[in-house]
Order: sequence, then C-alpha cells, then structure tokens
Amino acid sequence: QSALTQPASVSGSPGQSITISCTGTSSDVGGYNFVSWYQQHPGKAPKFMIYDVSNRPSGVSIRFSGSKSGNTASLTISGLQAEDEAEYYCSSYTSSGTWVFGGGTKVTVL
Amino acid sequence: QVTLKESGPALVKPTQTLTLTCTFSGFSLSTSGMRVSWIRQPPGKALEWLARIDWDDDKVYSTSLKTRLTISKDTSKNQVVLTMTNMDPVDTATYYCARMGGGYYFDYWGQGTLVTVSS
Repeated sequence: QSALTQPASVSGSPGQSITISCTGTSSDVGGYNFVSWYQQHPGKAPKFMIYDVSNRPSGVSIRFSGSKSGNTASLTISGLQAEDEAEYYCSSYTSSGTWVFGGGTKVTVL
Repeated sequence: QVTLKESGPALVKPTQTLTLTCTFSGFSLSTSGMRVSWIRQPPGKALEWLARIDWDDDKVYSTSLKTRLTISKDTSKNQVVLTMTNMDPVDTATYYCARMGGGYYFDYWGQGTLVTVSS
C-alpha cells in the first residue's frame, strides 16, 4: 500500500487560511469516508484532529475542518495561529483492511 | 482518562526480535468495538501503520510487514504486545501504540518509544 500524497510544506500568515491536500486512490481515500488527520509538534506524539473526513473530536478548535472530493481529502486551517505550526498527517482506511498514512505536511506560520 | 504507554528495549541488534508492550488505562480491550494499533515513525520521516488487534482478538497486519509481525493482547493486564522479527537498521523508529475507540481512527496515542537497531 503506497503512502498517501501530501505536499511537503504549506505556509501562511497569521489569520490566513491554508489547505493541505491528501491524495490517494479509490482503494483508500476515494473508497471510504474514513479519512482522519493528525497534528504533530516536534518531539511529541500525534494528536487526533479530524475523523471520518470532516468530524472534529471534542476539544479540537473549530478553525480545523476537513473535506473530501473523489480521491483527495483536504484539511483547512482557518485563522492561522502560531501554535498551528506543526507537521500534519492524513490517514485512510484501505480496501485491504489496513491503514495508510500520508507523507506529512509541514505547516509554517510566517 | 485514557492513557497508553509503550515500553521495550531502546537498542536491539540486527536479526534480533523486538518485543514492545503497550500498557493502557481508561478503557478495556474487552469492550465491543475497541481496538489498539501499533504505528511507527523513523526519525524525520512519516508515520507507518503496522498492526491492529480488536476486542474479539481479530488481528490485521501491514501487508509489507505481516511476515515479521505478531500482535497479541492480555486483557487482564490491559496490555497489547507487538513482536517484530529479524530487525534491521531501517526499522529504527519511534514506535507508538494508539487506541481506536470504535471507529476507523486513532484517538489516543502513547508517548512513543524510540527503538534503535544497531550492532
């Protein structure tokens, strides 16, 4: 199972909105609404941010939202803040009954 | 609250077998729908899903690593164990265990344990 494709880096100024894409295939992202997103600060464990494409767990800021179109899922961060600077990973359930992650996207707040 | 913690050797030699233990609290792996997965992350690289065990002892492994992995659970001790055989330097990584609380996502993660493979 190949990793999902994410841009290596995305940047934005405080207050702006940015979007991170996550491209897979019809065997993973396109085939199931089981895409999730994780935030990881350096040296820390990943933090659960979005599940089932667009749902936010309790405690996660409403500035984070998810969507999907075809084989590509997206994470949008609105009102970018300094604390949002981190690595972001998408994940999807696959037709093999396994999970696959994206290569990660480094978000920089300018 | 839900917590998970990984434990195991920090250093293993090539060809050896790695055994990692995930000790958790705040949930039971005998509860219907509950699952625990292992995920690893080489230094500076992306996350890689390894294996999953379910409340009913169903198990699923990474296609590329399935011949080297075994996952098991001890419900009475609230532990999940992962073994990986024939370790190689490319297996150097931080290994995480994560709860899957009834869905297709990893909602709680352990702090991770760094395993270095070197002679």
